[in-house]
Amino acid sequence: GAVVSQHPSWVICKSGTSVKIECRSLDFQATTMFWYRQFPKQSLMLMATSNEGSKATYEQGVEKDKFLINHASLTLSTLTVTSAHPEDSSFYICSARDMTRGSSYNEQFFGPGTRLTVL
Amino acid sequence: SQQGEEDPQALSIQEGENATMNCSYKTSINNLQWYRQNSGRGLVHLILIRSNEREKHSGRLRVTLDTSKKSSSLLITASRAADTASYFCATNRGTNAGKSTFGDGTTLTVKP
Repeated sequence: GAVVSQHPSWVICKSGTSVKIECRSLDFQATTMFWYRQFPKQSLMLMATSNEGSKATYEQGVEKDKFLINHASLTLSTLTVTSAHPEDSSFYICSARDMTRGSSYNEQFFGPGTRLTVL
Repeated sequence: SQQGEEDPQALSIQEGENATMNCSYKTSINNLQWYRQNSGRGLVHLILIRSNEREKHSGRLRVTLDTSKKSSSLLITASRAADTASYFCATNRGTNAGKSTFGDGTTLTVKP
């Protein structure tokens, strides 16, 4: 099956700093990647849809200036949490859609997640 | 309330028993997927069922989909302690966007 990796798997940073998380599709091309956030004991909430070569689409309530998304290639999307605060501490998970399959397929492949802790 | 709601929220069973989790959703879908998540880890894709399918099997897993009731169930037969995890259903609507909407999840505990 298709593999999606994330880096780093965990990160601890000081309040006010910025953190970049990478999401890579390893063996397929993905024009679209998705970024989710999961707080402890809660479900995954979609933050934004990352589109290769164009601006990301953010879900309601997600600050686009705080969560910068760049999807510069068909295999890489990055999420940068700017001026991180303790309330941004969460589990961030990306997913990617295999564009070689038909549009009706819609299966997403998820990365292993990145745990961010902001002190 | 949100698309994709699972019940029960928590389920505790003995090893060897069957576990059934249900998921309900509100809008039309293209497909529905079930995922497992061990504590603090990423998602593991279990099974995808398309809107024109009614039942799928994969090993000890059986998934049903009833589009008229907008519901799905995941059955794990002969459960094992290693099945202890949170299980989420995720729906994809009939668009090309492909983004998934996740339910709240069911936390399954299988006691040895």
